[in-house]
Amino acid sequence: GESVGLHLPTLSVQEGDNSIINCAYSNSASDYFIWYKQESGKGPQFIIDIRSNMDKRQGQRVTVLLNKTVKHLSLQIAATQPGDSAVYFCAESYSNSGYALNFGKGTSLLVTP
Amino acid sequence: EAGVTQSPTHLIKTRGQQATLRCSPISGHTSVYWYQQALGLGLQFLLWYDEGEERNRGNFPPRFSGRQFPNYSSELNVNALELEDSALYLCASRPGVTPGGYTFGSGTRLTVV
Repeated sequence: GESVGLHLPTLSVQEGDNSIINCAYSNSASDYFIWYKQESGKGPQFIIDIRSNMDKRQGQRVTVLLNKTVKHLSLQIAATQPGDSAVYFCAESYSNSGYALNFGKGTSLLVTP
Repeated sequence: EAGVTQSPTHLIKTRGQQATLRCSPISGHTSVYWYQQALGLGLQFLLWYDEGEERNRGNFPPRFSGRQFPNYSSELNVNALELEDSALYLCASRPGVTPGGYTFGSGTRLTVV
């Protein structure tokens, strides 16, 4: 069936380094993608989103890249900080579903000093 | 501006009982979504309400139901509780016009014993 998955369940990076979290999706109808950060005991926090008519979008210290040819999404975090330690989820959606989000299982990012 | 609020924060129920979870969306948001996050797993889409109507539901049995009130708040009801229903239940709202604007609450932790 259609699915959203993450390539790596855990990622450990040193403070100050750049982080890249990858995500694969299989629903070619998806036209909206979001990255969320979730800290322990909290709800998901919006990081950045991108629509299917774009291939790159930048925010503050974060960049999302979308490759529709290979159905791949990535989140780049520049100068990773200890406060970035959390679980990161990608999610896909499409208009016919009312933009209900289909989440991947998550990547745990650990930033070490 | 108040965010998405959920109540109660924690709920403990016995197998076979019913649970009712509540969600107040951000003012002006007409769409409310419910997600289940079982321990160690990603978020699974449960239900979508918009303008008082159920618009879409995920792959969950009928004992998961809910409703949306005229003020756009929503409640999720889980009947005949099973042990595997223990999870964090998250509510999200968005304006309902564009795909973006998703905001999650902090969730209700439901424990079934």
